[in-house]
Amino acid sequence: DTGVSQDPRHKITKRGQNVTFRCDPISEHNRLYWYRQTLGQGPEFLTYFQNEAQLEKSRLLSDRFSAERPKGSFSTLEIQRTEQGDSAMYLCASSLAIGWETQYFGPGTRLLVL
Amino acid sequence: AQTVTQSQPEMSVQEAETVTLSCTYDTSESDYYLFWYKQPPSRQMILVIRQEAYKQQNATENRFSVNFQKAAKSFSLKISDSQLGDAAMYFCAYRSPDDKIIFGKGTRLHILP
Repeated sequence: DTGVSQDPRHKITKRGQNVTFRCDPISEHNRLYWYRQTLGQGPEFLTYFQNEAQLEKSRLLSDRFSAERPKGSFSTLEIQRTEQGDSAMYLCASSLAIGWETQYFGPGTRLLVL
Repeated sequence: AQTVTQSQPEMSVQEAETVTLSCTYDTSESDYYLFWYKQPPSRQMILVIRQEAYKQQNATENRFSVNFQKAAKSFSLKISDSQLGDAAMYFCAYRSPDDKIIFGKGTRLHILP
């Protein structure tokens, strides 16, 4: 097992464009989380899935953001009509949904909106 | 609402010395987990150590140990025999019963050779 992977690692886009990021969790993990981390801050929770069900969304997740996990494996996070304030590192993490299992993080996708 | 506070934005320690990073948190829950994560420059976040709130014994992982004071809501990380590879951003984190993790703002640790 190679751990949580994310693609792309870096993305530069122009304001107003749509972007999509992918996260592949550790294979046996049924929980998947998205976080956003801005420079000099700790990660902030965005949303999480158990299998294919999206269980919770933060109020940070505006209507321009949508996340899916169609088959309970990989997940995508789409940002529509990007704004400069969306520039951040987007982190994905996964865990088992048993008790208090540790979340394991991917390397992140760094987004720069020009 | 739960909060996590790291009051030391940056710290430096001489190689082979011991350093302690501070963290306080606020919660009304009695059952939760606390974590220290390490984020090296341009590399992914990795778990350093975790502590179950119901356990009185402080967690230890090799050179890393915590001082967990539940009543004071304090959770500090001690790194013994500091190594150059320990240089990173360290985040204290709280995991609530509803499975959300709340992170502090981090402490950047520099190791001086």
